[in-house]
Amino acid sequence: SQKIEQNSEALNIQEGKTATLTCNYTNYSPAYLQWYRQDPGRGPVFLLLIRENEKEKRKERLKVTFDTTLKQSLFHITASQPADSATYLCALDPSYNQGGKLIFGQGTELSVKP
Amino acid sequence: NAGVMQNPRHLVRRRGQEARLRCSPMKGHSHVYWYRQLPEEGLKFMVYLQKENIIDESGMPKERFSAEFPKEGPSILRIQQVVRGDSAAYFCASSMTSGPNTGELFFGEGSRLTVL
Repeated sequence: SQKIEQNSEALNIQEGKTATLTCNYTNYSPAYLQWYRQDPGRGPVFLLLIRENEKEKRKERLKVTFDTTLKQSLFHITASQPADSATYLCALDPSYNQGGKLIFGQGTELSVKP
Repeated sequence: NAGVMQNPRHLVRRRGQEARLRCSPMKGHSHVYWYRQLPEEGLKFMVYLQKENIIDESGMPKERFSAEFPKEGPSILRIQQVVRGDSAAYFCASSMTSGPNTGELFFGEGSRLTVL
């Protein structure tokens, strides 16, 4: 069956450290994978998109990798800050035809302690 | 430039009543998607609409749920005869394009339905 899985346990790290979140998928061949941030009671906010032919993408303190052989994406936040505390969602497009029909992981809750 | 606007933000209904959730996409966006987020679960796709057309409703429950995106006005997600299991956050998202180059979705803040 098709699945997309993220670390189910909350991730607690100290301010200034690098947070690494994992997204694994099975039985999909997505054209791209996206990462979103969701704060409590709010809607998801887009962070980064990485395509199947890209190995790595960066945006300020964020870095995403995409390994289509391992069927895995890693999401890194360097020099983490308490303001980075939120739930992070990965999502993929299972079809090449409908870009907005995304499959989301359950999310990983990140807590950065000062 | 206003983002995706959803209302109401919170809605309380008793079992058997109807719930209507509204979504105005970002300016210039003609593609609207509805997602549902149940407590302790991830976002689940429900339906994809363009103006006056339902493109994909494969995630919609077969009964009691309907969606529309009229030529004028917001997109509406309608839930008839609500049950407690319908209690969830309903998110609307929009995009400018569709297909393999859709890119990011812009989400609203959600409508939180509580069924008593």
